[in-house]
Amino acid sequence: AQSVTQPDIHITVSEGASLELRCNYSYGATPYLFWYVQSPGQGLQLLLKYFSGDTLVQGIKGFEAEFKRSQSSFNLRKPSVHWSDAAEYFCAVAPTGYSTLTFGKGTMLLVSP
Amino acid sequence: DVKVTQSSRYLVKRTGEKVFLECVQDMDHENMFWYRQDPGLGLRLIYFSYDVKMKEKGDIPEGYSVSREKKERFSLILESASTNQTSMYLCASSLGQGVGTDTQYFGPGTRLTVL
Repeated sequence: AQSVTQPDIHITVSEGASLELRCNYSYGATPYLFWYVQSPGQGLQLLLKYFSGDTLVQGIKGFEAEFKRSQSSFNLRKPSVHWSDAAEYFCAVAPTGYSTLTFGKGTMLLVSP
Repeated sequence: DVKVTQSSRYLVKRTGEKVFLECVQDMDHENMFWYRQDPGLGLRLIYFSYDVKMKEKGDIPEGYSVSREKKERFSLILESASTNQTSMYLCASSLGQGVGTDTQYFGPGTRLTVL
């Protein structure tokens, strides 16, 4: 069965430190990959997406993600975290352009002073 | 900016009641979606619609129905609410170029409590 795994339920990072959130998927071919963020009390907002081409994708708010086919991973990174980045982050995958998204269970990011 | 609005932020209903959750988008999007979000389970797709009067079941349609009479409005209906339907419900819309490739725009959510 198709699945998306975010291994970390919670992550705490100090403000100014770097961040990496993990996402792994189990699909045969290269799927369409997304990262969404949900700030407290709000809906989800797209950070970035990968369809093909350059495996390093730049997104909004200083985030980037790298697609690694050999590891079936699409990890989200940010070089320096700000307190306003505290939120829940969701990786999402679609096997094809005509498939609905499957979301991971989310990673809650806490930012300490 | 795309705006997706949901009729209520918080809703409390009793078991057995019929519940309507309304969602409206203002960007002429073709696709609309209803998800439920539960702690530790992420988002799960209930139903989606790719056109007026069209609907498709998602991963967890049991106990729910939907209605899309106008392009901008997508309603989620709980025919007889049960306590296990207590959850956060998120509506989303997307342009319609491809369900799997479109950016989805989300509303703020409705937190439904069924007593």
